[in-house]
Amino acid sequence: GEDVEQSLFLSVREGDSSVINCTYTDSSSTYLYWYKQEPGAGLQLLTYIFSNMDMKQDQRLTVLLNKKDKHLSLRIADTQTGDSAIYFCAETGNQGGKLIFGQGTELSVKP
Amino acid sequence: GAVVSQHPSRVICKSGTSVKIECRSLDFQATTMFWYRQFPKQSLMLMATSNEGSKATYEQGVEKDKFLINHASLTLSTLTVTSAHPEDSSFYICSARYGQGNYGYTFGSGTRLTVV
Repeated sequence: GEDVEQSLFLSVREGDSSVINCTYTDSSSTYLYWYKQEPGAGLQLLTYIFSNMDMKQDQRLTVLLNKKDKHLSLRIADTQTGDSAIYFCAETGNQGGKLIFGQGTELSVKP
Repeated sequence: GAVVSQHPSRVICKSGTSVKIECRSLDFQATTMFWYRQFPKQSLMLMATSNEGSKATYEQGVEKDKFLINHASLTLSTLTVTSAHPEDSSFYICSARYGQGNYGYTFGSGTRLTVV
C-alpha cells in the first residue's frame, strides 16, 4: 500500500541548515509535496516537485528527489526561528488524487 | 489565488449535538474536496473525498452516518459531525484540488472541535 515516512523531530540552531527527510513507497506518484503547519493552523504549501525532476530550488528551500531510492528531502538554508513548525511530506499516490501524508517532522530552531 | 476558507475556526459543543463545518473555495471551482482529521502531534488522516453533485467516498473505518458530507455546489463542501461525543474532539481540515493536472492542493485553516 501507500506509505510515507518521516523522522519525527529535528533541532537546529538559528543560521544553520535544516534537512528533513522523507521516504515513500508509491513510485507512481506524479508530484511530491512539502507542507508547513504552524500550531493551530492549516497546512501551507512550501514547494512541490514533479517526479521527473531531481532537484528544485526556491529561495532558501531546496528539494532533492531520489526516485530510485524513493527518498525526498527538504533543505532549509539559514534556518530562522520563524521556521519552527511541523513539516509534512506528501505524495499523490495512485488512487483518486488524494494526498498521502507522512507523520510530520517537528522542526525546532534554537536561537 | 486558490484560497479555501474554512469556518468556524473553533467550536465547543455539548455531547449529543451536531456541528457543521464549512469549506469554501473563494476564487476557483472545486469539484473535489478532501476532509482530514488530525490528532495532536499526529499526521492528517483522510476521512473522505467529497465530489460535487455526488456522494462522498469515505475511507475505511470512517462512519458515514456520523460524519455527513455535502458538496452541493462547486464552491462549498460541508462536514457535519452528528451526535458528537468527546472522542470526536479533534482538528478537522479541508482541502481542495485546483487547476489542471494533479499538482494543486490548497488547505483550509482548520477547525478545532471540542465536545464537552
